[in-house]
Amino acid sequence: DAMVIQNPRYQVTQFGKPVTLSCSQTLNHNVMYWYQQKSSQAPKLLFHYYDKDFNNEADTPDNFQSRRPNTSFCFLDIRSPGLGDAAMYLCATSSVPGTSGMGGHNEQFFGPGTRLTVL
Amino acid sequence: AQTVTQSQPEMSVQEAETVTLSCTYDTSESDYYLFWYKQPPSRQMILVIRQEAYKQQNATENRFSVNFQKAAKSFSLKISDSQLGDAAMYFCAYRSARAAGNKLTFGGGTRVLVKP
Repeated sequence: DAMVIQNPRYQVTQFGKPVTLSCSQTLNHNVMYWYQQKSSQAPKLLFHYYDKDFNNEADTPDNFQSRRPNTSFCFLDIRSPGLGDAAMYLCATSSVPGTSGMGGHNEQFFGPGTRLTVL
Repeated sequence: AQTVTQSQPEMSVQEAETVTLSCTYDTSESDYYLFWYKQPPSRQMILVIRQEAYKQQNATENRFSVNFQKAAKSFSLKISDSQLGDAAMYFCAYRSARAAGNKLTFGGGTRVLVKP
């Protein structure tokens, strides 16, 4: 089945130690997103890639970076995790109208998330 | 900027009964999409139902239906014949038809509890 995959599902890191979360997709969608979600809150968009174009949200801290080496993969790098960065990180994908890719009318498809713990 | 408001932090429903979740939004645009997403505990977020603003007919997906009132900027979700598996966080989301990269604006979420 076509899907959005996130690895690992659970990640523990130490305060200040860089960490990378990964996302892959088999939907051939041209847009990939990274969200941060804290307990019982709505997901907060950090940034998204439209093909190779990186789009950062204005309030995303510099501590958060992203890479998208190809259509299928996208990475979230947290350069120096703080205690406040402990959260669920969600990856999502979408297909912009008129482009190829599986799925319905432009909705976002979410991965299962990676729960990050910072010690 | 668009905003989405879900005024009910939590709703409780008896199994087999009906529950309605409210969502209001603020926009000056006429062409947009509205979504309800479900996020079960420790499981991934999935799309429940979608409504195109240009369609007057309310969307329906099995036990899930919406009441879309464009003039009132209201988009409520009705869950009929509630099942234990319906217990989850439900997020209402808005997307402008012109949104770059299909970006969504989420409401704060409503937790649905289903009592057996």
